Amino acid sequence: DAGITQSPRYKITETGRQVTLMCHQTWSHSYMFWYRQDLGHGLRLIYYSAAADITDKGEVPDGYVVSRSKTENFPLTLESATRSQTSVYFCASSESYRPIYNEQFFGPGTRLTVL
Amino acid sequence: SQELEQSPQSLIVQEGKNLTINCTSSKTLYGLYWYKQKYGEGLIFLMMLQKGGEEKSHEKITAKLDEKKQQSSLHITASQPSHAGIYLCGADKTGNTPLVFGKGTRLSVIA
Repeated sequence: DAGITQSPRYKITETGRQVTLMCHQTWSHSYMFWYRQDLGHGLRLIYYSAAADITDKGEVPDGYVVSRSKTENFPLTLESATRSQTSVYFCASSESYRPIYNEQFFGPGTRLTVL
Repeated sequence: SQELEQSPQSLIVQEGKNLTINCTSSKTLYGLYWYKQKYGEGLIFLMMLQKGGEEKSHEKITAKLDEKKQQSSLHITASQPSHAGIYLCGADKTGNTPLVFGKGTRLSVIA
């Protein structure tokens, strides 16, 4: 399917477990992003990537790890999940930072619950 | 930290009424993006504004960016139930950084 997909859509895990959220886009966009959305905080950037093997921290990176070995994939790993990481996670991609190309396309989100 | 302030946080309007959502920054913006999110879904791009004083419309939604490029408004004319959702503004501060988003405005449209 064309577009940007996330898996799983729903995940329940326990404190201390490792969890990986997957993101895949078919447009060959250079830029990919991970956000978390929480009541009272809105959408906050966790990590982003400008190209394969290039990643950078966003506003709330602690407790998360990312990798980007292929342009189309950008997995997000919670190394040791905590209850505070219960959230809805959105992956996004864009062609460029230049404004006309900076429209970000969002995936459907992954709802993660950490017990 | 959030650098974009959206107001109001939530809004309930009667179907057919007009409404306005605001997005304000303390700094001049390079670009301003409006997105809509339906419950349980991802964000859908609505419009992008880059030039001071710019105004764009799509169907019954009009977005404006002020001359100083620090404030944007989203106006919906004759609201419909399909307009319900969360509206978020995102800003490009430098032209070379990821978007920063406001906390969103939750819109409910009642019959």
